[in-house]
Amino acid sequence: SQKIEQNSEALNIQEGKTATLTCNYTNYSPAYLQWYRQDPGRGPVFLLLIRENEKEKRKERLKVTFDTTLKQSLFHITASQPADSATYLCALLYSSASKIIFGSGTRLSIRP
Amino acid sequence: DAGVTQSPTHLIKTRGQQVTLRCSPKSGHDTVSWYQQALGQGPQFIFQYYEEEERQRGNFPDRFSGHQFPNYSSELNVNALLLGDSALYLCASSRGGRQETQYFGPGTRLLVL
Repeated sequence: SQKIEQNSEALNIQEGKTATLTCNYTNYSPAYLQWYRQDPGRGPVFLLLIRENEKEKRKERLKVTFDTTLKQSLFHITASQPADSATYLCALLYSSASKIIFGSGTRLSIRP
Repeated sequence: DAGVTQSPTHLIKTRGQQVTLRCSPKSGHDTVSWYQQALGQGPQFIFQYYEEEERQRGNFPDRFSGHQFPNYSSELNVNALLLGDSALYLCASSRGGRQETQYFGPGTRLLVL
């Protein structure tokens, strides 16, 4: 069955640096890959979607890359701020109307 | 513009009982998906409702059932509760049976004793 792996350890970054989170998957590539942010006790918030034929997507300080050869997506937050501290989830979709598979998330802490 | 709402926010039940959770989608959305999230894990897809029908289902037993109403709101029912059903239950809404952009509600925290 399809598996998703995200950085298992929490990530601690100094404010102002770039945070890079990893999402690796096994087996076949998804049609879409999403990134979400989740704060404690709250539902996930959609951040970005990247399609299998796209290499990179940007939104303000966020950048997502998608490498179907490596079976990996990287999520970057540039000029990180303490307010960026949260758990970040990646999720795979194999078509626009199919089941979503989520990773277990990476907890990111930005220290001032 | 109302976002996704869920009720109740918290619930405590005992083993063997039944529970019903409710979700109202974001305005303009007609598709509702339900997820179970255990502590420290990512959400696990339970099922999706679109046009009042269950369209997709994850690996959950038949104890988990749902319904979608003509106003697009939805219910998740869980029968014969087990201790392992304790989790955060999330509802997400989207459009047209698609899941490319989903908006999640705050969740219902269920504790089974």
